[in-house]
Amino acid sequence: DAGVIQSPRHEVTEMGQEVTLRCKPISGHNSLFWYRQTMMRGLELLIYFNNNVPIDDSGMPEDRFSAKMPNASFSTLKIQPSEPRDSAVYFCASSLRTSGTFGEQFFGPGTRLTVL
Amino acid sequence: GEDVEQSLFLSVREGDSSVINCTYTDSSSTYLYWYKQEPGAGLQLLTYIFSNMDMKQDQRLTVLLNKKDKHLSLRIADTQTGDSAIYFCAERLPGANNLFFGTGTRLTVIP
Repeated sequence: DAGVIQSPRHEVTEMGQEVTLRCKPISGHNSLFWYRQTMMRGLELLIYFNNNVPIDDSGMPEDRFSAKMPNASFSTLKIQPSEPRDSAVYFCASSLRTSGTFGEQFFGPGTRLTVL
Repeated sequence: GEDVEQSLFLSVREGDSSVINCTYTDSSSTYLYWYKQEPGAGLQLLTYIFSNMDMKQDQRLTVLLNKKDKHLSLRIADTQTGDSAIYFCAERLPGANNLFFGTGTRLTVIP
């Protein structure tokens, strides 16, 4: 398996533009997580899905952020409009949750977003 | 969210042991984890410990858990330059699928 795939790896955009980050989880995994990493705030959970359904989006900073998971093999995180303070590395992770256990989270390589 | 705290930086000489510390606030944590992040990469799970254990050893890695003090540590024996990375501790609360991560400790190994 190729692991968690994220695209793009780097994104540079101007303030006010729409940004879409993409994630393909590991095949067979049923939980997907979006994290944001900054120097100031460390690693923050933004939202996570179980079986394509958003379970906890309390970490989403504001309405400018939205996430979707239309099927088990694809998720997007959208920022519209983007602001310089959104500059960060955004990680996607996936895991396999069963009735008795929570599986290990496997992280993607991240998308480094720079908003000018 | 929960408070999981770590010191930000640690430097050790190659061949020495490294000890990375972590404190957490919620005594109901079920599992505690150590992740490693190399430059430009995502986090990789190194090891984990169940909350009813005091110690877990895995090759050069030793995890110690003091539940009374809510203190977790990761000891890396014979530290190598390839161990230079950021190390995150994380906790899982009962019934929760998500993890709460610490701030990360940047380990620098000096040749």
